[in-house]
Amino acid sequence: GEQVEQRPPHLSVREGDSAVIICTYTDPNSYYFFWYKQEPGAGLQLLMKVFSSTEINEGQGFTVLLNKKDKQLSLNLTAAHPGDSAVYFCAAPSGSFNKLTFGAGTRLAVCP
Amino acid sequence: DPKIIQKPKYLVAVTGSEKILICEQYLGHNAMYWYRQSAKKPLEFMFSYSYQKLMDNQTASSRFQPQSSKKNHLDLQITALKPDDSATYFCASSQEGGLTEVFFGKGTRLTVV
Repeated sequence: GEQVEQRPPHLSVREGDSAVIICTYTDPNSYYFFWYKQEPGAGLQLLMKVFSSTEINEGQGFTVLLNKKDKQLSLNLTAAHPGDSAVYFCAAPSGSFNKLTFGAGTRLAVCP
Repeated sequence: DPKIIQKPKYLVAVTGSEKILICEQYLGHNAMYWYRQSAKKPLEFMFSYSYQKLMDNQTASSRFQPQSSKKNHLDLQITALKPDDSATYFCASSQEGGLTEVFFGKGTRLTVV
């Protein structure tokens, strides 16, 4: 089945800097992915659904790049602010009915 | 206004006891799921249900039993609790089928002492 590696596990940046989180997946047949944000004590907030047909996906304050050749997915937060501090997860569907395989998460701290 | 409601938010249980985690969603979705998040492992898929029928079970232990009394309810009964069951359990839902967004509740944090 699908396996997802996510790095780095921890990331600390200053306000206004960019932050990049990378996920590497194994199944070349995976064709859509998700990014989630988890704030302390909260559930997982869906940030973006990414289709393999689009290499660059833009959201509010972030960009997701998909490199199918290297089976890599990256989340780039541009001009990070303290409200971006959270744990970020990538997820890929694997095998059966909407089963998601998650990366281990990246804990992002944005310092003022 | 949360659309996926999980109860309780926190739960402390004694080893060997039984608990039920409640989940109801008001998104009109046909599919519901349970995931577990512990300190030792990333988010793990446990079960998926579609139209109240079990679609996939990735939980090795029969101590975990989902219960669906209505299309928008998927409770999780855990029997003979062990300290290793301590984790945050997340309920999720989506429309049936692939390519659909999966939305998560806020979780129930279970501690088994």
